[in-house]
Amino acid sequence: AQSVSQHNHHVILSEAASLELGCNYSYGGTVNLFWYVQYPGQHLQLLLKYFSGDPLVKGIKGFEAEFIKSKFSFNLRKPSVQWSDTAEYFCAVASGGSYIPTFGRGTSLIVHP
Amino acid sequence: DAGVIQSPRHEVTEMGQEVTLRCKPISGHDYLFWYRQTMMRGLELLIYFNNNVPIDDSGMPEDRFSAKMPNASFSTLKIQPSEPRDSAVYFCASTSRQGATSNYGYTFGSGTRLTVV
Repeated sequence: AQSVSQHNHHVILSEAASLELGCNYSYGGTVNLFWYVQYPGQHLQLLLKYFSGDPLVKGIKGFEAEFIKSKFSFNLRKPSVQWSDTAEYFCAVASGGSYIPTFGRGTSLIVHP
Repeated sequence: DAGVIQSPRHEVTEMGQEVTLRCKPISGHDYLFWYRQTMMRGLELLIYFNNNVPIDDSGMPEDRFSAKMPNASFSTLKIQPSEPRDSAVYFCASTSRQGATSNYGYTFGSGTRLTVV
């Protein structure tokens, strides 16, 4: 069974700082990778996904993620965060053609204005 | 489309009572998922359905939990009897096989915040 690790449980940044949230998974086969965001009091929304092709994926709101197969990682990045990026971020991995993701524990991001 | 609709938004109940959570998926979506979110355990998949048929219920914590999908537009998650440790936010999500690979991914409902006292 696959598992997903998000090493940073809480991240606090000032506006304009750069962001990188780590995500590692344990599964040796083909994977589909996702990042979801949950703004305070709201439901999860898809930020970006990777199924195949260019390992550098661009998502909404200036977010991007890079799939590094050799490191089993799919880290989320944003060069300059805004106060409105304050939210919980979830990495998710689905194995092969299942499309049923396993979610990480989530990383709480707080951005101070 | 109104998205995935869950009801109620909040539920407070006493220990031992039966609780029923409801979900209406997006029309045309043939997959439906129930997730539970807690601080301790994060987001856990409880059960999912495909074409109204339960496919994997290995995440259902105990026999106290049951889920049904009588038709393509409605699903319930029932807890009987409820316990304080069931307190969590329960999310319903839906997708179609095509949708799972599209830019929309899974569509989540707004969740039901359950408190068992």
